Amino acid sequence: SQQGEEDPQALSIQEGENATMNCSYKTSINNLQWYRQNSGRGLVHLILIRSNEREKHSGRLRVTLDTSKKSSSLLITASRAADTASYFCATDVGGGSEKLVFGKGTKLTVNP
Amino acid sequence: SAVISQKPSRDICQRGTSLTIQCQVDSQVTMMFWYRQQPGQSLTLIATANQGSEATYESGFVIDKFPISRPNLTFSTLTVSNMSPEDSSIYLCSVVPAVNYGYTFGSGTRLTVV
Repeated sequence: SQQGEEDPQALSIQEGENATMNCSYKTSINNLQWYRQNSGRGLVHLILIRSNEREKHSGRLRVTLDTSKKSSSLLITASRAADTASYFCATDVGGGSEKLVFGKGTKLTVNP
Repeated sequence: SAVISQKPSRDICQRGTSLTIQCQVDSQVTMMFWYRQQPGQSLTLIATANQGSEATYESGFVIDKFPISRPNLTFSTLTVSNMSPEDSSIYLCSVVPAVNYGYTFGSGTRLTVV
């Protein structure tokens, strides 16, 4: 079953603008991860943030985590047409299972 | 990070038949995971495959429908049995090299059942 919700479900922006996607989850977590999927292909890992971290950066990506609100956000700055994809958050709920529970995803379209 | 080769990349199958999907990893990993992604949906975990033991299935998935093999630490197969059009989905395998690392996914198998 889905761990939580992402919003918006779809986002359309112009090249150069920033894109922000949000993710909420329901249970305590070991870490939260963001993935990108192009056109229904395999997923690419973007960034992982641990439960004791509040913010993390990787290139044009910035991820925040608020464990008190059980939410995370992914910011993509200076977006490019190549950023067009679906973005999913996934939570590792720990307990030794190491399995990921995925959110519903945000479909991002960056218009040139 | 690990590299996964997943085959086939796509197939169109007749209802009532079975399809076996293979995932080969370029390094030894303890756990492999199999996910299903129905059209326009997110990923749902089917099962966790450990080498040398029975796979652990998630609620709603059963071994008779989705038998899994894990003969060694670099290879696994998922079979979709007695297929119906409702099984049309993308099936993905994934591995994680260690705790608190990002997961690596295969490129997916797009299955269409007619």
